[in-house]
Amino acid sequence: QKEVEQNSGPLSVPEGAIASLNCTYSDRGSQSFFWYRQYSGKSPELIMSIYSNGDKEDGRFTAQLNKASQYVSLLIRDSQPSDSATYLCAVNTYGTYKYIFGTGTRLKVLA
Amino acid sequence: DAGVIQSPRHEVTEMGQEVTLRCKPISGHNSLFWYRQTMMRGLELLIYFNNNVPIDDSGMPEDRFSAKMPNASFSTLKIQPSEPRDSAVYFCASSQVGGTEAFFGQGTRLTVV
Repeated sequence: QKEVEQNSGPLSVPEGAIASLNCTYSDRGSQSFFWYRQYSGKSPELIMSIYSNGDKEDGRFTAQLNKASQYVSLLIRDSQPSDSATYLCAVNTYGTYKYIFGTGTRLKVLA
Repeated sequence: DAGVIQSPRHEVTEMGQEVTLRCKPISGHNSLFWYRQTMMRGLELLIYFNNNVPIDDSGMPEDRFSAKMPNASFSTLKIQPSEPRDSAVYFCASSQVGGTEAFFGQGTRLTVV
């Protein structure tokens, strides 16, 4: 079982819709969770971090964490074509310093 | 802050040659990470340092790879000898404290022919 799993996609949504990206992780000791956006040919860019159960909102982005289900998600409201990218989920386990990444979900927002 | 700075941005080398990739982390950040990204395997953690000390190098693929962090503002990843299967994008990232937000450099695209 992979440590961090994401559906590779592509996930296609129409412009203005809500995009929902999901991530599951295997290590129950995981404490910190991150979403990165990566445009083709570019480096990963941090867009959200979440450390406790529940929702965290930042502009059009909402991260949701459920540690009991070992599940973290990212919602993008009012999706724009410029949101088209690969979204990477990363997990950090308490007591270590390393960030383990999923393979990413490719999002396509259709104009 | 200028962010994490990597050099070179692109490197093309012949099989068997030595390659050195360089990274300057964000000032004040205590943790530094080297990742490799390929289409097949995604982002793989190669090694990470905390306070200049290598903590976990279990991701380093083989003895041809080595990494150093002689001071808080500089790290190198060396491949000797290089092989075509080492072709990938290599990223360096840093974070202020372990477990907090990590920021990536622009990456080095390595091609070994």
